[in-house]
Amino acid sequence: AQKVTQAQTEISVVEKEDVTLDCVYETRDTTYYLFWYKQPPSGELVFLIRRNSFDEQNEISGRYSWNFQKSTSSFNFTITASQVVDSAVYFCALSGSTDSWGKLQFGAGTQVVVTP
Amino acid sequence: NAGVMQNPRHLVRRRGQEARLRCSPMKGHSHVYWYRQLPEEGLKFMVYLQKENIIDESGMPKERFSAEFPKEGPSILRIQQVVRGDSAAYFCASSARLLFTDTQYFGPGTRLTVL
Repeated sequence: AQKVTQAQTEISVVEKEDVTLDCVYETRDTTYYLFWYKQPPSGELVFLIRRNSFDEQNEISGRYSWNFQKSTSSFNFTITASQVVDSAVYFCALSGSTDSWGKLQFGAGTQVVVTP
Repeated sequence: NAGVMQNPRHLVRRRGQEARLRCSPMKGHSHVYWYRQLPEEGLKFMVYLQKENIIDESGMPKERFSAEFPKEGPSILRIQQVVRGDSAAYFCASSARLLFTDTQYFGPGTRLTVL
């Protein structure tokens, strides 16, 4: 069965600090996709990034960066120079062929609190 | 370019009533997914539909819950005879096509409260 683990329940930082969110996944699939979504206090789910299993190139987008390491089954997410607007719950998710390609398996989420 | 639309945003029902949640996918998207977010259980997949077809309903409770995505109109998630345990946020997502997997974009959710 597929599984996504976000061990960090909550992370609190002061504005301008960096924050790294951990995501560890389990799957028997050789082809799979990983995602990060953000859920701000307003409640909607916002797509941030998608990675496929055969592309381990790490990515930087503005203050966001992602570190995908297949060898350790991890897909970590870093916010550099955090801002109060980054306060949200961040979810890591996995999609693979074992269940169905249409099903996203979510982690429990990590609450990020950024204080001024 | 309008995103995924869900209505109502908030829905209050008494035990035993029916709840109907609507989802209009993004323009050009023909795949719809429903997820439920319960306070202690996180986000869970319920069902995946294409037009007039249920592709995967492995996450749907066996009783009282049904979903459809007709040829015309929005996708509907229907909960009959609601109970307090159905209180949750229900999210709809849509994607353009299924090539291995495509990114799912989510709507704002419907918060269902059962009194």
